Amino acid sequence: DGGITQSPKYLFRKEGQNVTLSCEQNLNHDAMYWYRQDPGQGLRLIYYSQIVNDFQKGDIAEGYSVSREKKESFPLTVTSAQKNPTAFYLCASSMLPVRPGDEQFFGPGTRLTVL
Amino acid sequence: GENVEQHPSTLSVQEGDSAVIKCTYSDSASNYFPWYKQELGKGPQLIIDIRSNVGEKKDQRIAVTLNKTAKHFSLHITETQPEDSAVYFCAASGPSGAGSYQLTFGKGTKLSVIP
Repeated sequence: DGGITQSPKYLFRKEGQNVTLSCEQNLNHDAMYWYRQDPGQGLRLIYYSQIVNDFQKGDIAEGYSVSREKKESFPLTVTSAQKNPTAFYLCASSMLPVRPGDEQFFGPGTRLTVL
Repeated sequence: GENVEQHPSTLSVQEGDSAVIKCTYSDSASNYFPWYKQELGKGPQLIIDIRSNVGEKKDQRIAVTLNKTAKHFSLHITETQPEDSAVYFCAASGPSGAGSYQLTFGKGTKLSVIP
């Protein structure tokens, strides 16, 4: 059963702690993305990666870090430098080359709450 | 960069009526326009998309129209059903500085279909 999995579904973190969100895909997609979604807002791009060992900042990268050591995995770390980390985080993937018409498939999301 | 405006933010219709959601975009280089449906607590799913060389596309009860001159595109849902209730996002894909294409999303429309 192909798709994108994100874990955990709900995550609670104390202020000042780093936390890592998992994203795995078995669609054999080269490109992967992380978006942040806040209530009443669209999806804003945090980071994206087109190939292994390479990634680029999106519109709101400050306070986040990523790695892409394997094609199937693109974990996102929310660091203590992120001032307002409570949000719904969505991972997506698409085929390469990344161009108009390459559908992005989304995972089920992780809801992060900072206590 | 690209800017996508989406209206209305909320929309309530009676079951069986039509629903129309409108989006405008700013970057004339954008040439791919997908629409996503997001149910509560889930990731967005692509429902229909259109490319710049096409003016209209239909898929059963869903249609999308594109006016490149005016830089706006719309989603039309006919014969609405309660299961159409969700948040709908429009997006536009244009070239990014890294030589790839990124999706820029509207802020979403919460559609409620009243039985």
